[in-house]
Amino acid sequence: DGGITQSPKYLFRKEGQNVTLSCEQNLNHDAMYWYRQDPGQGLRLIYYSQIVNDFQKGDIAEGYSVSREKKESFPLTVTSAQKNPTAFYLCASSAYGGFTNTEAFFGQGTRLTVV
Amino acid sequence: QKEVEQNSGPLSVPEGAIASLNCTYSDRGSQSFFWYRQYSGKSPELIMFIYSNGDKEDGRFTAQLNKASQYVSLLIRDSQPSDSATYLCAPPPGDNNNDMRFGAGTRLTVKP
Repeated sequence: DGGITQSPKYLFRKEGQNVTLSCEQNLNHDAMYWYRQDPGQGLRLIYYSQIVNDFQKGDIAEGYSVSREKKESFPLTVTSAQKNPTAFYLCASSAYGGFTNTEAFFGQGTRLTVV
Repeated sequence: QKEVEQNSGPLSVPEGAIASLNCTYSDRGSQSFFWYRQYSGKSPELIMFIYSNGDKEDGRFTAQLNKASQYVSLLIRDSQPSDSATYLCAPPPGDNNNDMRFGAGTRLTVKP
């Protein structure tokens, strides 16, 4: 079955520690996205990538880093520079270009907590 | 950057009523919109896609797009408690700027 997989589902980070969230898709989508969601809030775009080896900052990129070495994978690293990382993180993918058949497919999310 | 505005609510309607959810947007070039539903603690899922002026109906859901007014809405008829969720609207990724930004979402509660 095609889909998008995020892991782990729950993650705990100690102060000053970097952690990496995994996102893998087998939908053959060119575009991938990372969002952060705080309780009762909307989705805020962290980073997005249109093609392999290329990515752009979203609205809240500070304290985060990404890579896109393979079409299927778009991992997100939450660095120690991100002072308030506790949130629900969502990865999504979509086909690229045009305005039809470009809906976003989401992973199940990773809930990150600082301990 | 495409801006999408939504009334974050919360919106509360009684069971069986019509729920009306709205988005306004800044990009006059936007040709179409997606509506997603997000249950608490879950990821969003696509429920409607509209790409032309006028209405599109799918079961109890009707999406309306008015390009001249830069306004898109979602009507839920015969609302059910299972419709209680946050509803998000978003234009599709553009050809020149393939980001995908969502409105803040409207939280809907349907009371039995």
